[in-house]
Parts: sequence; C-alpha cells; structure tokens
Amino acid sequence: KAGVTQTPRYLIKTRGQQVTLSCSPISGHRSVSWYQQTPGQGLQFLFEYFSETQRNKGNFPGRFSGRQFSNSRSEMNVSTLELGDSALYLCASSLGRINSPLHFGNGTRLTVT
Amino acid sequence: DAKTTQPPSMDCAEGRAANLPCNHSTISGNEYVYWYRQIHSQGPQYIIHGLKNNETNEMASLIITEDRKSSTLILPHATLRDTAVYYCIVQIQGAQKLVFGQGTRLTINP
Repeated sequence: KAGVTQTPRYLIKTRGQQVTLSCSPISGHRSVSWYQQTPGQGLQFLFEYFSETQRNKGNFPGRFSGRQFSNSRSEMNVSTLELGDSALYLCASSLGRINSPLHFGNGTRLTVT
Repeated sequence: DAKTTQPPSMDCAEGRAANLPCNHSTISGNEYVYWYRQIHSQGPQYIIHGLKNNETNEMASLIITEDRKSSTLILPHATLRDTAVYYCIVQIQGAQKLVFGQGTRLTINP
C-alpha cells in the first residue's frame, strides 16, 4: 500500500505570497491532518479534515486554511506568508476512528524569504 | 501543552535493548498512550499504542504501569537505524489531534 504522499517536497516563497501544499492519503483513509514543525515550537497541530469537513482546528491564524476533496486528498493554503511560516509541513492520514494511528508523509519544507 | 514528560536524550549500544521512559501522571482513564518516532528528514512514524495492558508488535514493546502514570517503550535489539527522536503522546479523546512534546533523542552507538 502506498504511503502518504506530499507535494512538493521543497518550496521557496517570498513574504506576502501565498502557497498551496498537497497531500494524498493512504488509500481508504478518510481523515487527513496537518502539522507544522519548527525547531522552536516542535510539532503543532493545524487542522483535521474528515469526509470533506473540518473536524478540529489548532491555534493558528486564519491565514492557514485547508480543504479536503471527495477522494480524501487534501490541500492546505497559507496566505500572506511571513518569515515565521518557514517550517516543515506534515500531513497525516488515518481511518479517522477514535484512537486510529496516524500515518505521516515526509512533509513539505517551506522556506519564506 | 503536552501531557507527557520524557528525558531529552538517551544513548544505547547497538544490539542492546533500548528502554525509553515516559511520565504521564495526569492521564485520564480513557486516554491511550501512543509512541511515534521521527528519523531525520522524515515524517513521524507510528510505533505502538496501549491503554493499560502491555503491548508488543514487530517493532517494539510497550509496558504501562498499573497506575498508568508512566510507561516504557522497549526496542529489544536496537540497530543504528533506530536512531531517532521518540515521542510519547497521550491521545486526546475525540479527533485525530496529537499534542507532541519535545521527545527523547535516542542515539544508537556502534
């Protein structure tokens, strides 16, 4: 079974621009979560989607948004990029049942200059 | 904030058992203990989880104390490829939201 696929692997953007990251979950997984990882804050939860609906949200500003499509693929968007948005963005998929393990992709490394 | 406390770093010799401790003294009765690890430049990898009984799979064993206030992850025969940051997480009820702490950086030495 193919794992979680994230594209692109690396991305460089300029302050003020916007960016869209893509995630393809494991086949059959209906839940997709997004995490941000930085050296200072570690891994932080952004949001989770299940069956195209946002089910949970972390403490990030409204510039961070996401969506999920009917095939469970997900995208996250960051608008008006700031230098502090430079991070590794990780996507994880699961069956979506309570206590289902998460399966992570290898992330998109975003650098904002 | 994370509900777990782990030592920041540990070393272990290749071929020996690596025992990683975790304290979760405020765990609720219906919360599970999960372990993930993150190898450099990769996403976190699920290892094992448990509620109150000891668990074992092909990767590791999980020992949870009877009062559930602490647990130990055991890698029975550590290899160099087990060098990683190991996260102990108490699963929050409801959604698929994990609260990661700083984890334990485990270094396996040849």
